[in-house]
Amino acid sequence: GAVVSQHPSWVICKSGTSVKIECRSLDFQATTMFWYRQFPKQSLMLMATSNEGSKATYEQGVEKDKFLINHASLTLSTLTVTSAHPEDSSFYICSQDRAYEQYFGPGTRLTVT
Amino acid sequence: GENVEQHPSTLSVQEGDSAVIKCTYSDSASNYFPWYKQELGKGPQLIIDIRSNVGEKKDQRIAVTLNKTAKHFSLHITETQPEDSAVYFCAASPGTYKYIFGTGTRLKVLA
Repeated sequence: GAVVSQHPSWVICKSGTSVKIECRSLDFQATTMFWYRQFPKQSLMLMATSNEGSKATYEQGVEKDKFLINHASLTLSTLTVTSAHPEDSSFYICSQDRAYEQYFGPGTRLTVT
Repeated sequence: GENVEQHPSTLSVQEGDSAVIKCTYSDSASNYFPWYKQELGKGPQLIIDIRSNVGEKKDQRIAVTLNKTAKHFSLHITETQPEDSAVYFCAASPGTYKYIFGTGTRLKVLA
């Protein structure tokens, strides 16, 4: 099956700094990948759809200037949290769609101090 | 708006007993219903799915049933084991990239 990796698995950063999270598709060329956010003991919330070679599509309420998404190749999508604040602390998960079945990465836990 | 309700939010069962988690969806266009298992600190893993042209699907100890008329679908785990302990999410999709997730069920299997 499809394999999706994320790096880093966890990161701690200071308030006001930016952090980049990478999502790689290891065995499948993904023109579309997805970024989710999950708060503790809550469900997954779709943040944006990452499209290879074009702009990402953001869900309502998600600040596109704060959460920068780049999908420069068929195997790599990146999410950059800019000017991070403590309320951005969360578990960020990417996924890829393969024949309408989604395969998730292992997630990245971001803690902003 | 479109939503997926999931019950119960927590479920404790004795090892060897069965566990049932139920979901109800609102979007009648939904035709794909996956179930995910999420262990602590990890991403969700697809464990079983069902499409709207099928009423039931089974994979070893796991089964999923779908009632399109009532817009209900359920996950059944038989002969539960401690390693089944995790959070389980249902989801509904109209066959596009869009998925609506349930709120999750925390399953604890007591040894």
